[in-house]
Amino acid sequence: DTAVSQTPKYLVTQMGNDKSIKCEQNLGHDTMYWYKQDSKKFLKIMFSYNNKELIINETVPNRFSPKSPDKAHLNLHINSLELGDSAVYFCASSQANGRGGLVSGGYNEQFFGPGTRLTVL
Amino acid sequence: GENVEQHPSTLSVQEGDSAVIKCTYSDSASNYFPWYKQELGKRPQLIIDIRSNVGEKKDQRIAVTLNKTAKHFSLHITETQPEDSAVYFCAARIRANAGGTSYGKLTFGQGTILTVHP
Repeated sequence: DTAVSQTPKYLVTQMGNDKSIKCEQNLGHDTMYWYKQDSKKFLKIMFSYNNKELIINETVPNRFSPKSPDKAHLNLHINSLELGDSAVYFCASSQANGRGGLVSGGYNEQFFGPGTRLTVL
Repeated sequence: GENVEQHPSTLSVQEGDSAVIKCTYSDSASNYFPWYKQELGKRPQLIIDIRSNVGEKKDQRIAVTLNKTAKHFSLHITETQPEDSAVYFCAARIRANAGGTSYGKLTFGQGTILTVHP
């Protein structure tokens, strides 16, 4: 199936631990994102990579470190987990427009993964 | 940066009634406005979108309107069904360029919990 997949689906861990979430897309997209959805359902972008290059880096604690080994994968590593990190983390992908300056469009849909529910105890 | 406000935060309607969710955005450079539906425990999924050069778009029971001057856009669902119950998110997208690549950054509204009672 073509899709955006994430592992693990659930992650329960103790404060202070380090954990990683993995994301893969086989849609052929060149742009991937990490979003955090808190308990109030607010969806906020954290990072975005285009062709393995970081293009969006919102105000996120530097305990969060994304890594994109290739354009089909975007992982998120979190050091020294805190209670406030508990949330659902969604990966998403889309196709940005190519290089060459201003282009029309750029409206391509973002496809979301199933989410990873992180609970920090 | 872009700021998107969404209202109401909760909406309860009877089956068959219409539902309207409204959003405002702050950055006039935003040029694309998608709406996502998120069912309980599932991923957000695009249900309809509108570009800044269009005032209205309809897809069966769902329609979206955009007023660029006032910087607001709305989702209209007619003949609601219990299956429409979900959280709905509006978003506004600014196109930006980095390293010669054009990409978009979505800013989401706070979400509306829609409940359709049978």
